[in-house]
Amino acid sequence: DVKVTQSSRYLVKRTGEKVFLECVQDMDHENMFWYRQDPGLGLRLIYFSYDVKMKEKGDIPEGYSVSREKKERFSLILESASTNQTSMYLCATLGGTDEQYFGPGTRLTVT
Amino acid sequence: EDKVVQSPLSLVVHEGDTVTLNCSYEVTNFRSLLWYKQEKKAPTFLFMLTSSGIEKKSGRLSSILDKKELFSILNITATQTGDSAIYLCASNYNYGQNFVFGPGTRLSVLP
Repeated sequence: DVKVTQSSRYLVKRTGEKVFLECVQDMDHENMFWYRQDPGLGLRLIYFSYDVKMKEKGDIPEGYSVSREKKERFSLILESASTNQTSMYLCATLGGTDEQYFGPGTRLTVT
Repeated sequence: EDKVVQSPLSLVVHEGDTVTLNCSYEVTNFRSLLWYKQEKKAPTFLFMLTSSGIEKKSGRLSSILDKKELFSILNITATQTGDSAIYLCASNYNYGQNFVFGPGTRLSVLP
């Protein structure tokens, strides 16, 4: 079974703090994604990576950056957290059959 | 703009009812359509559809794709309270590197 883990299930940060969300997968998948999910807006793609050190902007990259130094790890960075970044953050990987596998999610609250 | 639309956004039924959830898409270089079930955690994969007219079935759930009319339906027969969830539809497009999700349909099954 594919396993996708995220570093925290719940996180509370203050406005202006730098926030790191980490995602680790154990299936050697090349493609990894970061989404945020908000009520009424569904899942929106922030960034994705199709290989180590490669990244592409998704639909809403503003205020975020990513890092993919190793194939199994994809990090999402909020350089200076703001209250409008309070959300559920989901990491996912893409297998060879178009199936996306999601991590458990990190619920981030920025106060 | 690449998009996925789902209807209805919310649905309340009683146990034993049959429901049909709708998903229409408009994307560039369509590759596949995927259905997910999301309860209180990350989405779990249900079906992937790539060919028109071929029904995918898993227990009481089934789904079919119409690539000419650009839509898919998800049917659930003999609903149970455990079917209560948000059902997400997504399209994989642009040669497989991009995903776009619909807003989801929130299904509530009452005893």
